Amino acid sequence: GDSVTQMEGPVTLSEEAFLTINCTYTATGYPSLFWYVQYPGEGLQLLLKATKADDKGSNKGFEATYRKETTSFHLEKGSVQVSDSAVYFCALNPPRNQGGKLIFGQGTELSVKP
Amino acid sequence: GAVVSQHPSRVICKSGTSVKIECRSLDFQATTMFWYRQFPKKSLMLMATSNEGSKATYEQGVEKDKFLINHASLTLSTLTVTSAHPEDSSFYICSASSGSQYSGNTIYFGEGSWLTVV
Repeated sequence: GDSVTQMEGPVTLSEEAFLTINCTYTATGYPSLFWYVQYPGEGLQLLLKATKADDKGSNKGFEATYRKETTSFHLEKGSVQVSDSAVYFCALNPPRNQGGKLIFGQGTELSVKP
Repeated sequence: GAVVSQHPSRVICKSGTSVKIECRSLDFQATTMFWYRQFPKKSLMLMATSNEGSKATYEQGVEKDKFLINHASLTLSTLTVTSAHPEDSSFYICSASSGSQYSGNTIYFGEGSWLTVV
């Protein structure tokens, strides 16, 4: 079945460091791909998305490119801030859409130190 | 502002009682909503798909008699945890999507509901 795999956390970085969180997926066909962020004690916020191969989603300095050939959607940011500390979830919406059903990766906790 | 709203945001109930969590789409009609459960420091697990006007579709391993889902209108789905036990304590999140598979769905999440069973 469809699945998402993320790199294990926690990831600890110093402020202004470069961030990469790896995400790979397994799906039949071409799913839509998402990154969500969850701050402590809060719900989910959509960070960025891509709906087809080679699309690049970007928001707040974060970027991810939909790579069909490697079935990946790695999240990157050039210079992280303390305020970026949160848990990041990669997710896919299966190709037949199914009304917005999402399958999530296990989440990667990011901690940014001053 | 929020386009999907959950209520209550936090609830404490006694073991053996039932508790209802509401999920409302505020600016659009949603024929389908989804309920997820999240354990501390874990990912979101899809529990069920809530279908307006028909029975919910439960994921494997989710007890349908324990987690009752009702989707009586195009803007409201409810999750009732029946005969709650401490192990049901968790963060429950709903989602709904606007648009269609042809125009492109936008998926919105509620703020989540913390359930503590004592």
